[in-house]
Amino acid sequence: GENVEQHPSTLSVQEGDSAVIKCTYSDSASNYFPWYKQELGKGPQLIIDIRSNVGEKKDQRIAVTLNKTAKHFSLHITETQPEDSAVYFCAASTDKLIFGAGTRLAVHP
Amino acid sequence: EPEVTQTPSHQVTQMGQEVILRCVPISNHLYFYWYRQILGQKVEFLVSFYNNEISEKSEIFDDQFSVERPDGSNFTLKIRSTKLEDSAMYFCASSPDGESYNEQFFGPGTRLTVL
Repeated sequence: GENVEQHPSTLSVQEGDSAVIKCTYSDSASNYFPWYKQELGKGPQLIIDIRSNVGEKKDQRIAVTLNKTAKHFSLHITETQPEDSAVYFCAASTDKLIFGAGTRLAVHP
Repeated sequence: EPEVTQTPSHQVTQMGQEVILRCVPISNHLYFYWYRQILGQKVEFLVSFYNNEISEKSEIFDDQFSVERPDGSNFTLKIRSTKLEDSAMYFCASSPDGESYNEQFFGPGTRLTVL
């Protein structure tokens, strides 16, 4: 069935470093790839997304890349700050979202 | 900024009881969804709803589950006879019509505890 694998499960970085989270998906029909940030006790918050006709998208310190051939997509956060600490989920979508298992990012001052 | 709201934030119920989880989607959105997240696990799709009918549902969404849009603003998830394994966070989401139809915005969730 449809599946999204996400790595790493935990990521610890120093403030100012970059963080990279990677996902692979199985359904070649997937055409939309959002990333969500979930803080403790809150719902997932959409932070950036990319569609299948685009290879890269950037929004300030956050960028996403997509390799449709390899069915890989990645989230890149530069100049990390302590407030970036959260659980990040990737997802792949035709209509419904299929989520990865999440990455717990800790940014240490 | 418009947001999805959900009530209650926490619901505790006895096994076998019925629960109704309520959501108010973003006002101009036309697609509605329910997801659940068991503690420590990934977010799982339950059901999508468009034009007053279910458009897709997962294997989890069995006969014990139902959804309804009783008026122009609310979207509800009913679990008829709760089981222990229904304990989870339940998230409602909505998305607009048009080319952004799959940009889903999530509510804060309802934590359901079945005792």
